Amino acid sequence: GAVVSQHPSRVICKSGTSVKIECRSLDFQATTMFWYRQFPKKSLMLMATSNEGSKATYEQGVEKDKFLINHASLTLSTLTVTSAHPEDSSFYICSAWNTEAFFGQGTRLTVV
Amino acid sequence: DAKTTQPPSMDCAEGRAANLPCNHSTISGNEYVYWYRQIHSQGPQYIIHGLKNNETNEMASLIITEDRKSSTLILPHATLRDTAVYYCIVLLTGGGNKLTFGTGTQLKVEL
Repeated sequence: GAVVSQHPSRVICKSGTSVKIECRSLDFQATTMFWYRQFPKKSLMLMATSNEGSKATYEQGVEKDKFLINHASLTLSTLTVTSAHPEDSSFYICSAWNTEAFFGQGTRLTVV
Repeated sequence: DAKTTQPPSMDCAEGRAANLPCNHSTISGNEYVYWYRQIHSQGPQYIIHGLKNNETNEMASLIITEDRKSSTLILPHATLRDTAVYYCIVLLTGGGNKLTFGTGTQLKVEL
């Protein structure tokens, strides 16, 4: 079946640094991918829609300059958390549609 | 997209059927019902979806009421590995659109 792969699965970074998370559709092409964030014991919150070859669409309240999204190919979208702070620590998950929405395994970001 | 309502938690004995309800009273005629589950610290996993007819696959069955205002996900023989948060999502076109997650149902399968 279709697979969406995220990398890295875990990352620890220092405050003020930037972190890039990759999301790949392994056996299908995805013109659109979605990025979610999940805090402990909470549901997934959609952050943005990543569009291949064009600008991402951000949900209300999500800072586009802080969460940079690039969708340069039909199989790869990246989310860069810029100038990370401890409050950005969260579980980040991407998804892409094939026959249904497939999700990556998630990236646990810890900012210290 | 229509809003869904699910009980926050349910318990089920291993080997028994787990029946997870979902209300979606404002669903429109071309909106699908999707079910996903999320095991702790993993990405959500697709389970099943349907429009108006009941559906069954190797994981579960989906029963949608005739008026489509509610549905039930059935795991016929729950195992400990089915312990997860189950999300019922109503989606307009059935594909390609963003999924909006509610709070879901935490299913705990116990011995």
